[in-house]
Amino acid sequence: AQKVTQAQTEISVVEKEDVTLDCVYETRDTTYYLFWYKQPPSGELVFLIRRNSFDEQNEISGRYSWNFQKSTSSFNFTITASQVVDSAVYFCALEGYDKVIFGPGTSLSVIP
Amino acid sequence: SQTIHQWPATLVQPVGSPLSLECTVEGTSNPNLYWYRQAAGRGLQLLFYSVGIGQISSEVPQNLSASRPQDRQFILSSKKLLLSDSGFYLCAWSRGLNEKLFFGSGTQLSVL
Repeated sequence: AQKVTQAQTEISVVEKEDVTLDCVYETRDTTYYLFWYKQPPSGELVFLIRRNSFDEQNEISGRYSWNFQKSTSSFNFTITASQVVDSAVYFCALEGYDKVIFGPGTSLSVIP
Repeated sequence: SQTIHQWPATLVQPVGSPLSLECTVEGTSNPNLYWYRQAAGRGLQLLFYSVGIGQISSEVPQNLSASRPQDRQFILSSKKLLLSDSGFYLCAWSRGLNEKLFFGSGTQLSVL
């Protein structure tokens, strides 16, 4: 069975602080993809990143970075120098051979 | 460019009434289509997905059904709504397996 766990339900940080959102997954599929999505207060989910199971290189995109560690089944997301606009619910997702499974989400509040 | 339309944005329905939510995708052909529900607490639950016309996979037994009468049209229905059907319903599409999801703006359904 596939499962995605985001242990942090809610996080609050002060603007300009760094914050890491944790994601741990379970799957028996040998090939799979991991995703992060952002859901701002408007409600529409926005794609952030996709990573396949064979690519463990970390990725950086501006203030965002992702740390994929297959050995610990984790795909953590770090926001550097957080901004108020980063306030949103963030979802980690896993897709194996068929459907996408989402984690429960982490609500991030960035306080000015 | 591709776009996804989902309507209505909000809907208030009495218990026992029927439901029809429509989702259409433009600018692509043969997309994978999905219906998700996000209940209070934010978790995204996959309800249905479709890889082609007339092909519907149901993830959880429930009071809802889905249909795909045309390539880029995905409809979520119910004959008799329950209170527990309240939630935020999101339609999404992807180009195929393991591709990123593009989400609609969602429908907030309140069953009273």
